[in-house]
Amino acid sequence: GENVEQHPSTLSVQEGDSAVIKCTYSDSASNYFPWYKQELGKGPQLIIDIRSNVGEKKDQRIAVTLNKTAKHFSLHITETQPEDSAVYFCAAGGFQKLVFGTGTRLLVSP
Amino acid sequence: NAGVTQTPKFRVLKTGQSMTLLCAQDMNHEYMYWYRQDPGMGLRLIHYSVGEGTTAKGEVPDGYNVSRLKKQNFLLGLESAAPSQTSVYFCASSYARGETQYFGPGTRLLVL
Repeated sequence: GENVEQHPSTLSVQEGDSAVIKCTYSDSASNYFPWYKQELGKGPQLIIDIRSNVGEKKDQRIAVTLNKTAKHFSLHITETQPEDSAVYFCAAGGFQKLVFGTGTRLLVSP
Repeated sequence: NAGVTQTPKFRVLKTGQSMTLLCAQDMNHEYMYWYRQDPGMGLRLIHYSVGEGTTAKGEVPDGYNVSRLKKQNFLLGLESAAPSQTSVYFCASSYARGETQYFGPGTRLLVL
């Protein structure tokens, strides 16, 4: 089955810096790669996703890149703001199930 | 639209007690999922359903049962709760396979 590894587990940046979170996956059949943001006491919310026929996708300050050959994908947040502080999860899969990474706690200091 | 809602928000059980967690969605989604979230382990799939009347096992199904009698509801049951089932439980739904999953706010369960 699919296995997803996520790094780093914690990431501290200064406001305005960029943040990068990386994930690797094991199943070459996976074709859907979403990223979720989870704020304290809430459920995960989708922030961006990418499918296997696309190498990069951007939405304002957030971008995701996918390298299918190496089986890894990354989340890039530019010009970070304190409200970006949260736990971020990557996931891989498609069809019926998603497998999630273990999460990255991002702390953006003013 | 309320999206995905979960009941209750918080519950304390004693070992051996039973309970049912309710998930409801008003988006007419076919697929529904139950996850548990534990520190350092991310979200792990317990059971899922691909449509009304269907259920299937996920990654960690032992100790749990589910039912999907109505398309909008997905119930998670614990017949005999154990301390190892202390966790935060999330329900999610999606329109179709491979599509975005929308999560509820979670149920925090403590088993003493």
